[in-house]
Amino acid sequence: DAGVIQSPRHEVTEMGQEVTLRCKPISGHDYLFWYRQTMMRGLELLIYFNNNVPIDDSGMPEDRFSAKMPNASFSTLKIQPSEPRDSAVYFCASSLGRGLYNEQFFGPGTRLTVL
Amino acid sequence: KNEVEQSPQNLTAQEGEFITINCSYSVGISALHWLQQHPGGGIVSLFMLSSGKKKHGRLIATINIQEKHSSLHITASHPRDSAVYICAVALIQGAQKLVFGQGTRLTINP
Repeated sequence: DAGVIQSPRHEVTEMGQEVTLRCKPISGHDYLFWYRQTMMRGLELLIYFNNNVPIDDSGMPEDRFSAKMPNASFSTLKIQPSEPRDSAVYFCASSLGRGLYNEQFFGPGTRLTVL
Repeated sequence: KNEVEQSPQNLTAQEGEFITINCSYSVGISALHWLQQHPGGGIVSLFMLSSGKKKHGRLIATINIQEKHSSLHITASHPRDSAVYICAVALIQGAQKLVFGQGTRLTINP
């Protein structure tokens, strides 16, 4: 199996631009998670979905962030407008059943730099 | 005070040594995860625990729910075990979310 796929792997953009990060979970997995990792704050869970439905988005930092999962094999995390403090590595992960109480499989991450 | 505290923050040891990394938490949890982040940045899930003990190869994870404490042990450590080890807890009340420790950076010298 290909594992969790994220694109792009690296993104450099200017402040104010829209950024879209993409994730393809492992086929058959019904949970999808978006994380952010920074040196200052470490790993943070932003939002997660079950069967394409958002379950908890309390980690989404502000209205500039939005996430969608239009089908079982694709999700996006969008930042509009982007700010330098959004610079981080964004990870997507997926799991099969039991949500937060099961092993998660992580993608390689997208390193975002906002200038 | 953070809800999840790991110790030590940094650990350097010689190949072959027995390693212990600790995770303490101050909230009620329903599960605890141990993750490994390699120097290249990739993250791997090692264990998910809700009670007792789990073993996988040279790795052992234990949890004491009453004492709100978990340990990750590595036997016969090897330079390839060098990584950041992260503890995360699933809260039992409030928002269904994971709260992460700050990580322990482990370096195993040959």
